[in-house]
Amino acid sequence: QVLLVQSGAEVRKPGASVKVSCTTSGYTFTAYFLHWVRQAPGQGLEWMGWINPFTGATDFAHKFQGRVTMARDMSISTAYMELSSLRSDDTAIYYCTRGGYNWIDASYFWGQGTLVTVSS
Amino acid sequence: NFMLTQPHSVSESPGKAVTISCTRSSGSIASNYVQWYQQRPGSSPTNVIYDDTQRPPGVPDRFSGSIDSSSNSASLTISGLKTEDEAEYFCQSYDSRNVVFGGGTKLSVL
Repeated sequence: QVLLVQSGAEVRKPGASVKVSCTTSGYTFTAYFLHWVRQAPGQGLEWMGWINPFTGATDFAHKFQGRVTMARDMSISTAYMELSSLRSDDTAIYYCTRGGYNWIDASYFWGQGTLVTVSS
Repeated sequence: NFMLTQPHSVSESPGKAVTISCTRSSGSIASNYVQWYQQRPGSSPTNVIYDDTQRPPGVPDRFSGSIDSSSNSASLTISGLKTEDEAEYFCQSYDSRNVVFGGGTKLSVL
């Protein structure tokens, strides 16, 4: 079955960076877009961007451009999201999601989420 | 960027039907597919409707989606409500480069 397993919770100080991994299994890693979505405590879902695991191409929501990097390692079917210059309002659960053949397709599979806490 | 506006909360009794709306602020609702996600407390979201009206495998046919161009909105209808349907529901759509989520609607079944 399709699984997306994310790395564990992280605590960072303001100004630091965090890198979250998303290890996939049960499907052809390079065939489907991967998105990153975050959810602040008690808040809604916020799309951050996508990566095409086949080409490595990425696109990000405007508010994260310059602060977010997305990458992948095809040899281990794993995607990464790194967010820099962290602020307290970056405290959130970060999800990786598997989309479809196109970036506009729905996210049928989600990781379990990674809590990132930004606190001094 | 456009916005998707949902009611903050809705409530209904078991066995009844409820409809959750999702109104697009700019651009035609019919031009880009709408997806719906269910999120129970403490869990990751799951997709319940994709491409406006389609149900993924395993989602009961009590869940249905529709589009209304006149109000520029999408709707999720859940019929025969069960207590297990109590959750938050998010709509999602996109434009040329962005994916946008609605703010979410908390459904209470009581």
